[in-house]
Amino acid sequence: EAGVAQSPRYKIIEKRQSVAFWCNPISGHATLYWYQQILGQGPKLLIQFQNNGVVDDSQLPKDRFSAERLKGVDSTLKIQPAKLEDSAVYLCASSLDPRASGRASEQFFGPGTRLTVL
Amino acid sequence: AQSVTQLDSHVSVSEGTPVLLRCNYSSSYSPSLFWYVQHPNKGLQLLLKYTSAATLVKGINGFEAEFKKSETSFHLTKPSAHMSDAAEYFCVVSDIRTDTGNQFYFGTGTSLTVIP
Repeated sequence: EAGVAQSPRYKIIEKRQSVAFWCNPISGHATLYWYQQILGQGPKLLIQFQNNGVVDDSQLPKDRFSAERLKGVDSTLKIQPAKLEDSAVYLCASSLDPRASGRASEQFFGPGTRLTVL
Repeated sequence: AQSVTQLDSHVSVSEGTPVLLRCNYSSSYSPSLFWYVQHPNKGLQLLLKYTSAATLVKGINGFEAEFKKSETSFHLTKPSAHMSDAAEYFCVVSDIRTDTGNQFYFGTGTSLTVIP
């Protein structure tokens, strides 16, 4: 079974530039998550999709970050314009919808994209 | 509301000695609990999970964890540390919401150092 794919793996940009990250979840996983992980910290949820709808974006800085999941499969996370404090690893994860089985399902994580903003 | 507290930000053990990484949770529901490991410059890998079956859960690489409802704890243990266990470990609690499905709450992580 293929895992969660992310690209690019590394990105270096200057502040005020734009950047986009792509994620392809595991086939059949209804839920997709984007996390920001700053060095030395735990992952922070940015946005959670259920199919192609947003269920939680309370911690997404909406003035500069945007995300979409067209057709309920792949997802793109964009930052425009980037700030120095956006330097982090951006993790994508996916999981099955637990409501069908009534049991929680684990998240499967991609390798992440390391963003450096200069 | 759900929350997770990892009681130690750093743990250091000698190779071959036992490992104990502590996790306490707060949950209004019957939670599911997970331990993930993150090696340097790698993504997160599931070590083990508890989803209301056996309270003693065995995971990969010799790790196990015991769910203790009375203590609201889910501590991670391993009888004998190996150099390859050096990594960051995250305890995660999850509930199932009727409106949104899975919601996951991460602890702040415990960095494990293994001394040769």
